[in-house]
Formats: sequence, C-alpha cells, structure tokens
Amino acid sequence: AQSVTQLDSQVPVFEEAPVELRCNYSSSVSVYLFWYVQYPNQGLQLLLKYLSGSTLVKGINGFEAEFNKSQTSFHLRKPSVHISDTAEYFCALPQRNGNEKLTFGTGTRLTIIP
Amino acid sequence: GAGVSQSPRYKVAKRGQDVALRCDPISGHVSLFWYQQALGQGPEFLTYFQNEAQLDKSGLPSDRFFAERPEGSVSTLKIQRTQQEDSAVYLCASSRGLAITDTQYFGPGTRLTVL
Repeated sequence: AQSVTQLDSQVPVFEEAPVELRCNYSSSVSVYLFWYVQYPNQGLQLLLKYLSGSTLVKGINGFEAEFNKSQTSFHLRKPSVHISDTAEYFCALPQRNGNEKLTFGTGTRLTIIP
Repeated sequence: GAGVSQSPRYKVAKRGQDVALRCDPISGHVSLFWYQQALGQGPEFLTYFQNEAQLDKSGLPSDRFFAERPEGSVSTLKIQRTQQEDSAVYLCASSRGLAITDTQYFGPGTRLTVL
C-alpha cells in the first residue's frame, strides 16, 4: 500500500525565516502527491499538488514543493513565513489513480515565533 | 453555501448512545468522502460515495459505523452504541468527481467526544 511519512511532528520557526516541512513517500504505482493545510478550527485546504510534469510545484500562500523521485520525497518550502502560516500541514497521496482514497501523513505543526 | 458544511460542530455522547453526523457538500459535487481524525493524527479514510452509491466502505472501523447519501447530496454518518475509542474529529469532503485532477474540499469537521 502507498504511504507517506512526516518525521517532524512540530517545527518552530522565527517569523520571516525560511521553512521546510519534510514528507517522504512509498508507492508502487504512479505517484501523485498533495500538501494540505489545516488552520485552527477550520477544514483542510489544498496547498498544492504534484500530478506530473515539472517537479517544482507552486501553491497558494507562497508555498512550493519539489518532487524528488530518487529520494522519494516531496518537501514543502516557503522562503519567508508569517504569523498567519501557523497551522498543521499534511502530506497525502492517493491509494489509486483517482482521488477517491487519500492517505495522509501524521501532520507537522508549524509554529511561527514572532 | 460556498463550502462544505457539517453539523453539529461538536457532539458529546455517553458511551452506548447512537449519534448522527451530517454533511452538506458543495452544490453539484457528485463525490463525497468521510474521514476520521484522531487527536494528533492525520485524517483516515472511512468511506466515499459517487452520487448515492457507496463505492468503498473499507475504512469503516466496525459494523457500528454506517453512512448513507440517499439522494446523492447530503450525507449522514451514523455511529451506533458509541465507544470511547470513537472520540475523534469526523471530516467530510466533496469533489466534482473522482479524477486525480479533482480537488477534495473539506468541511470544518464534527468533534465527537464519547464519555
């Protein structure tokens, strides 16, 4: 079965500093990868997704992620974080070739220090 | 409404009670998904619908869990004889379809606490 691993449960970062949230995947089929963000008391919101083509994917709110097949990684980055980026971030991939059965990682809580 | 809505937002149940959680998807979305998110964990797939057809219920943890979407719009997740281990946030999502290009849009969730 396909799976994703987020090794960092919490990441504290100073405001305006860069951040990288790590995601590694395991898949025996075509690889599609997603990053979702969950703000406090809100539902999950799609940040970006990799389907094919360019390995550098740009998303909303200034985030980007790079698909690295040799390292089986899909790390999320932002060059300068803001207080409003405080949230839980989840990496996910589908179990099949459609979107119907997403498997999520355990999440990384990003805390921005003023 | 513009997004997926869920009700109630919070539910407290005594062990052994039955509960029903409602999801209103985005209008026109044919696909609907239910997830369970335990404290400190990522969402875990429970089941999904294409219109009124339940196509996969492999994630439902026991036969106490039942989901329906009789008219292909609103869905209800029912949990019978609730147990403490059922305490979690239950998330609903909807999408236009099942293609990989179709995004799942999530509701705010229902936090269920079983005492």
